[in-house]
Amino acid sequence: SQKIEQNSEALNIQEGKTATLTCNYTNYSPAYLQWYRQDPGRGPVFLLLIRENEKEKRKERLKVTFDTTLKQSLFHITASQPADSATYLCAPRLPFGGGTRLMVKP
Amino acid sequence: GAVVSQHPSRVICKSGTSVKIECRSLDFQATTMFWYRQFPKQSLMLMATSNEGSKATYEQGVEKDKFLINHASLTLSTLTVTSAHPEDSSFYICSARDHGSGGVDWNNEQFFGPGTRLTVL
Repeated sequence: SQKIEQNSEALNIQEGKTATLTCNYTNYSPAYLQWYRQDPGRGPVFLLLIRENEKEKRKERLKVTFDTTLKQSLFHITASQPADSATYLCAPRLPFGGGTRLMVKP
Repeated sequence: GAVVSQHPSRVICKSGTSVKIECRSLDFQATTMFWYRQFPKQSLMLMATSNEGSKATYEQGVEKDKFLINHASLTLSTLTVTSAHPEDSSFYICSARDHGSGGVDWNNEQFFGPGTRLTVL
């Protein structure tokens, strides 16, 4: 069956470092992947969309890569800040991966 | 940007009662809306896909007679939790896709509502 997997454990990093979150998919060839941010008690907010023919996409401190050979998307936050602490979700059209909780310590 | 609203944001009800949650796309038309449920510290779980003018498509394990979905217009979908029980207490979130002029699926992001916190006593 189609599956989207993200690191289930929380990722703890130091402020200023680059955070890298992973999204793997199996039995599936999504035409695109979307990344969302969700803060506690709130609905997800769209961040970036990357299509299968795009290797990399950037938006300010965010960078997303899409490797169709590895069936993986990486989400990077450079110069991370405590305000970046949230749960990050990757999704093809549907359904969502489990999300990875990022904690940035000052 | 596109805005999706939900009402109410928070509701507390007694066991056995029914609760209706509204999801509205405020500045765009959404032929398709999605309903999710999220338990504490867990990911979003898709419950159903709501299509304007037709019956909703429910995910496996979701009781369609318990979670009634109506998508009567291009800007409004409602989820009614019937005969609610404490185990139905959860965070319910809707999302909508702005199909725009082309309706190209691969170009559509989902816009999420702020969620509704349901507590059944």
